[in-house]
Formats: sequence, C-alpha cells, structure tokens
Amino acid sequence: ETGVTQTPRHLVMGMTNKKSLKCEQHLGHNAMYWYKQSAKKPLELMFVYNFKEQTENNSVPSRFSPECPNSSHLFLHLHTLQPEDSALYLCASSQRQLAGSYNEQFFGPGTRLTVL
Amino acid sequence: SQQGEEDPQALSIQEGENATMNCSYKTSINNLQWYRQNSGRGLVHLILIRSNEREKHSGRLRVTLDTSKKSSSLLITASRAADTASYFCATVILTGGTSYGKLTFGQGTILTVHP
Repeated sequence: ETGVTQTPRHLVMGMTNKKSLKCEQHLGHNAMYWYKQSAKKPLELMFVYNFKEQTENNSVPSRFSPECPNSSHLFLHLHTLQPEDSALYLCASSQRQLAGSYNEQFFGPGTRLTVL
Repeated sequence: SQQGEEDPQALSIQEGENATMNCSYKTSINNLQWYRQNSGRGLVHLILIRSNEREKHSGRLRVTLDTSKKSSSLLITASRAADTASYFCATVILTGGTSYGKLTFGQGTILTVHP
C-alpha cells in the first residue's frame, strides 16, 4: 500500500464504548497528525507527533487518547464519547524539515465516526 | 477568528470557465498551501507557495500570494466537472523553535462545476 491509510473507514459507537482509530503511513515521514472535521467548521488540529513524541495537544478532551508506537503508526483511542464528537477524523503525515522549511501534509481518507 | 478564511463560500460555474477562490489570513506566515477535498474524503495537497514567492503555477492551477494584504488566490483555468470539490487554504505560521509545519485551515470554498 502507498500513502496514508486509515481504518476503519466508518465507525458507529455508543457513548459507553471504547474503540480505536488506526492510521498508517507508508511514506517514510517522521511527523503525524490527527485532525477533526465537523460539519460547518474548519479542520481542527488535535494532536501532532514528531519522531514518536507528542509535540502538540490542541486542548483536546481526555476522552481522546493518542498513541504513536513508531513513526509509521498512529492511533486514536476513544472512550465515553459524546454525540457532538461525531465527525470525520483525518490522519496526516509529513516530513519534518529543518527549521524554517515546511512541506505539505499527506492525508488519509478519514474515519467517519458516529456517536449514538 | 480563523487564520485562513476563504471567499466565496460556494462557487458554481460551467465547465470550461475559470474558477477563482480567495483566502485571507491574519498573521505572518512561512507558507500557504491549497488543498482539495472530494466529498467526505481526505485532503489532497495541490500547491504550496512560500512567503517570499508571489506566484506559482501547477498545470491548470495558478496561485498568487500578497503578503502585504495577507491574501492569496487560487485560479483553476478551463475547469472540468472533476474539479468539483471543496478547496481549502492552509497557512503555516512562524512559531519559535517549531519545525513541524502546523497547518491552520480555513472553512473552504465549495466549487461545483456543471458539465
């Protein structure tokens, strides 16, 4: 496989469930990201990982828990979510550059999450 | 308030016409990027323009950047029905000591190209 893959593509869960989203990148990148895309809102950055270390947590509620075991894999663990957490969750990766030089991000197809 | 705001929010044109979308931002940037998103899917990077560049071309795409006005435009020439998608601008702002390129997205322009 090439690019950035995400599984599952669709997920329906109850508020008391625990589930995980998975992202894998096959591009040799060393930075990975989670974004949330809700209807009528701009894409929101949730978490950033550089070389497996979390470098950004954009005030995300603790019911979202990221995990980055290596530079190719990124997980988002979900528990006790709310209906308003229903959204498209997008994973992206990029190559970390020298300071002052930033390249594009490559996105996966997303997981459409519905919380009942 | 959003770092990047696109205008118009929606644009409907006929195949063959040109489509122009604008983006405004508020703070100094390192670069500005344009992405396309087909309905309910991931974003695809289109073009990146750096703060010291004024214009860039890629195929039927032309991007301009005016740092004095803090604005950018994306022009798609000779549009096709397959260009129907949402288009987002994203800015990379200057942050001390950070080199991972944090993107801040606008709300996007929905482009519909009628055959």
